[in-house]
Amino acid sequence: EPEVTQTPSHQVTQMGQEVILRCVPISNHLYFYWYRQILGQKVEFLVSFYNNEISEKSEIFDDQFSVERPDGSNFTLKIRSTKLEDSAMYFCASSDPFQDHATNEKLFFGSGTQLSVL
Amino acid sequence: AQSVTQLDSQVPVFEEAPVELRCNYSSSVSVYLFWYVQYPNQGLQLLLKYLSGSTLVKGINGFEAEFNKSQTSFHLRKPSVHISDTAEYFCAVSDPYTGGFKTIFGAGTRLFVKA
Repeated sequence: EPEVTQTPSHQVTQMGQEVILRCVPISNHLYFYWYRQILGQKVEFLVSFYNNEISEKSEIFDDQFSVERPDGSNFTLKIRSTKLEDSAMYFCASSDPFQDHATNEKLFFGSGTQLSVL
Repeated sequence: AQSVTQLDSQVPVFEEAPVELRCNYSSSVSVYLFWYVQYPNQGLQLLLKYLSGSTLVKGINGFEAEFNKSQTSFHLRKPSVHISDTAEYFCAVSDPYTGGFKTIFGAGTRLFVKA
């Protein structure tokens, strides 16, 4: 089965530094997402992206966050100035709007990037 | 607004025993419902989903879930668990009109299967 690929699997950074988390969604998918999971807490929606623009974002996704699809394959999440509370597992996901005659009912998730802010 | 409540944060069970992981949702509109599983150090994997039709849905690894609209529940069950079922299980809901633009997850239930 095709899969979503995320790199790196683990990133350590200093507080205040910029980080870019990278994702390669499944090639024919059109919708892309970032979620995060702080240790011991629920998986939280951050942002969705379609047609080269943000479709929806949560209150977590403030001005420190940005997303980009720089080429035809990569989908990145940038955190401009990391804070300690940004430490979490970040999951990328993509979906196919034409699957099962329903829109976006199945997300394919990557294995995540564990971000540790020191 | 949609929300998902998983009533048990941890469920310990012996191998070959049955298990039920509970999930309740709140939504003012029709919903799609999902169960995802997260094995240690891995990403999220879809276990099963309910979109419409039969209220009993079967997923991978012998799991099934039943949609109960009157009780707004979508409990996950397995008649006989294995050690390998030890994982975190997440119930999730999305609005079919906005689709996967946003999927709301529950807090998760950690299933421990003991020998």
